[in-house]
Amino acid sequence: QVQLKESGPGLVQPSQTLSLTCTVSGFSLTSNSVSWVRQPPGKGLEWMGAIWSGGSTDYNSALKSRLSISRDTSKSQVFLKMNSLQTEDTAIYFCTRLQWYYFDYWGQGVMVTVSS
Amino acid sequence: DIRMTQSPASLSASLGETVNIECLASEDIYSDLAWYQQKPGKSPQLLIYNANSLQNGVPSRFSGSGSGTQYSLKINSLQSEDVATYFCQQYNNYTFGAGTKLELK
Repeated sequence: QVQLKESGPGLVQPSQTLSLTCTVSGFSLTSNSVSWVRQPPGKGLEWMGAIWSGGSTDYNSALKSRLSISRDTSKSQVFLKMNSLQTEDTAIYFCTRLQWYYFDYWGQGVMVTVSS
Repeated sequence: DIRMTQSPASLSASLGETVNIECLASEDIYSDLAWYQQKPGKSPQLLIYNANSLQNGVPSRFSGSGSGTQYSLKINSLQSEDVATYFCQQYNNYTFGAGTKLELK
């Protein structure tokens, strides 16, 4: 069955770089697209970016200068890197399978706290 | 960018009641809309896509409707397991509504 699982550090210092990994199973990254969505505690959802089945990427314009999404298809992994983190980047980070334009499967999420 | 205004922000309803949640787009989104349910401490789950298509495995008491700029999610015969926050999402730039927190009265 389709599964996605995020992993990465729970605590990042301000101004540092966040690195997260999404490991997927039950589907191929060369036939499906994956997105990252985040949710600050108690708040709404924000789409961050996507990596398409062909390997190209799209980013939320508000994050584009700080964000990079890549993948390793041989390991079924998608990576998120975001630099210059600030306290407002504290959030739960979800990876999702992007089915055309909506998100049909979600990972459990990983909580990232930006604090010194 | 297209903005999504979701209402109400919170809602209290009784078991068995019918509930409606609305999303208003700032311009015509041509039914390019999905609805998600997020239970406390869990990740969101897809309920409805393309404004009115029920995702596999979602109970038939959930339905979506609308066109143009106005869309709604309807929950018939509210169950206790429906307590959650509901979000709409439009396809252009993947923008989400602010959410509707549904509680039991």
